Amino acid sequence: QSALTQPRSVSGSPGQSVTISCTATSSDVGSYDYVSWYQQHPGKVPKLMIYEVTKRPSGVPDRFSGSKSGNTASLTISGLQAEDEADYYCCSYTSGYILVFGGGTTVTVL
Amino acid sequence: EVQLVESGGGLIQPGGSLRLSCTVSGFAVKSAYMTWVRQAPGKGLEAVSVIFVNGNTYYADSVKGRFTISSDSSRNTLSLQMNSLRVDDTAVYYCAKNRGNTAIETWGQGALVSVSS
Repeated sequence: QSALTQPRSVSGSPGQSVTISCTATSSDVGSYDYVSWYQQHPGKVPKLMIYEVTKRPSGVPDRFSGSKSGNTASLTISGLQAEDEADYYCCSYTSGYILVFGGGTTVTVL
Repeated sequence: EVQLVESGGGLIQPGGSLRLSCTVSGFAVKSAYMTWVRQAPGKGLEAVSVIFVNGNTYYADSVKGRFTISSDSSRNTLSLQMNSLRVDDTAVYYCAKNRGNTAIETWGQGALVSVSS
């Protein structure tokens, strides 16, 4: 079982907002503000979407935003588009120095 | 432009050994934190090993004692030596460049390792 728990799936209609949660099951993981999010389309390489909880790399649309409250981080996709349909993984730094990933969430655009 | 290209994947019997290499371009491999991430078929992502800029190395419990990460500045490559391979090590292995040590900013295309008798 991963140290980060994500819902298996979320869905929304085009133009709507969806939020994916990522809950740390240990206080170690939850104590860091080093949460990142990755988008992975089927058969493709993961892509960094958010790092350090809220920061967007260059080129990532501002429809993607991150936040964190206590032991739970969240990724919100506003104005959902068909191309956003993908798997999303949260990730956190740990005291063991190796990154840990959540189990992944499939976003479906209805 | 930063590029990461993995090689060395293939089919191997349980108990065997395999060495993955990642040829790096666009930066010096020893100037960055580098991670190997794997993804079993139909499953999620798992970071298996990281090497720090200072040369320190760390491993996931699932591979500790069996896998060894290293980097070579003369060839500008990252490697993962995998021994005592098990069926559940079957996965696509990605070479990755970290952003500091808190996120992964660049991924290779991946190398498939299949462990089967």
